Order: sequence, then C-alpha cells, then structure tokens
Amino acid sequence: QSVLTQPPSASATPGQRVTIHCSGSSSNIGSNTVNWYQQLPGTAPRLLMYSDTQRPSGVPDRFSGSKSGTSASLAISGLQSEDEGEYFCGTWDDRLNGVVFGGGTKLTVL
Amino acid sequence: QVQLVQSGAEVKKPGASVTVSCKASGYSFTTYDLNWVRQAPGKGLEWVGCMYPNGGTGHAQNFEGRVTMTRNTAMSTAYLELTNLTSEDTAVYYCTRGHRVAAGMFPSYYFDFWGQGTLVTVSS
Repeated sequence: QSVLTQPPSASATPGQRVTIHCSGSSSNIGSNTVNWYQQLPGTAPRLLMYSDTQRPSGVPDRFSGSKSGTSASLAISGLQSEDEGEYFCGTWDDRLNGVVFGGGTKLTVL
Repeated sequence: QVQLVQSGAEVKKPGASVTVSCKASGYSFTTYDLNWVRQAPGKGLEWVGCMYPNGGTGHAQNFEGRVTMTRNTAMSTAYLELTNLTSEDTAVYYCTRGHRVAAGMFPSYYFDFWGQGTLVTVSS
C-alpha cells in the first residue's frame, strides 16, 4: 500500500484535459513540495514536475501542477497520444524520513 | 549532459545477494545525493535508500539490515547491495540523482535524472 494515494487509472480523448490527483498527509505533502514523474511504456521514469508547479526544461506547458494542503494535482491539457503512460507523485516524508510515492495512475488516451 | 548508466540484468537464487552499479557522468558526483528506487513487475515505485554527498546513507525501513550503499568517487560509481534476496525483491532497480532545494516555503527534493534500470530476478 502506497503512502500517497492516486487513482489507478484515468482516460480522455486527444485534445481534452485530464487531471490526476495525489493525496497525502501532514508529514509528506503537507510539509514538503510535490513532484510528478512520467513513465512511458518500457522506459525509466522521467521528472515531469517538481516543487509543486515547476516544469523541467523540455516539458511542454500543457503540463501543470498545483498543491493545496495535503493534496496535489497534475493537469494535462491538449492531451496527445504520446502522453499515454503512468504518472507517479512523490515527495519527502518527514515522519518516515524518506521519499514516498503514490501508486501510480495509468493514463489512457482513447 | 548528465548520465547515469547501470549494470546489466541479474538472476539470483533466494537467499543470495546482488550488487547493482550506477556510473555517473556529466556532473560533480559528490555534490548530489544518489538514490535507489525499485519497481516490481506491474507495480509502483518504491524508494530503497540514498547516499548523501558526505558519504552517509539512509534507507527505507523495509530494507533494514539488508541494504548497503557504497561508492567509488574516483570512478564516479555508486553501488547498491541487497542481501538475503526473496522473490519479492524481483524488480527493476533504478539509480537516480536527488536534487535538494531549501528555498521557498516548503523544502523541495526531487529526482531529476534516472538510470536506465537494472532488472533483478530472484528465482529458484
């Protein structure tokens, strides 16, 4: 069972907007910033969003992040077929003194 | 450019040990944390542990007594050793660079570069 909670799946058609939520607690999301990782089929995870809202170089502005209290969200607008893959939220947990992840959300582009 | 290149796949029997290596290039090896994250088949990501710039280490409680992280600074290479393997240790093991940012309202810690992964299979 993952420390952070994500829905196991999400889907939308090309061009639509989809939002993936990540829920935690005061010891993790509530006191640290949240990061999002994208894992395309058969590849290693890739940093997609860091410090709640920051996009690394090369990540399109179709991707955006937000955080409120002990929850965070990743939004993808103008969905494209190449966005199909799995998305993980992650952050530091002060109580566990380590990094924790959500269980991952598998995104399907219909 | 930053690269993390890991050693090849391993097949081990239950009770054995495995060592995975991760060679870093394109940055100052002893300036950043070097973390290990694993992913069992069809499952999510699980943090294993970290080697800090000063050579100290930290690990998840699940791996207490079984994990050792070391490094060779001259070769910019980090190593993860996991002992007393069981079938539940079958996973892809990734090394990843940890980036720590203290500025802002909340601390920020994220994994900005990842190795290609090393499949460790534990089977009798």
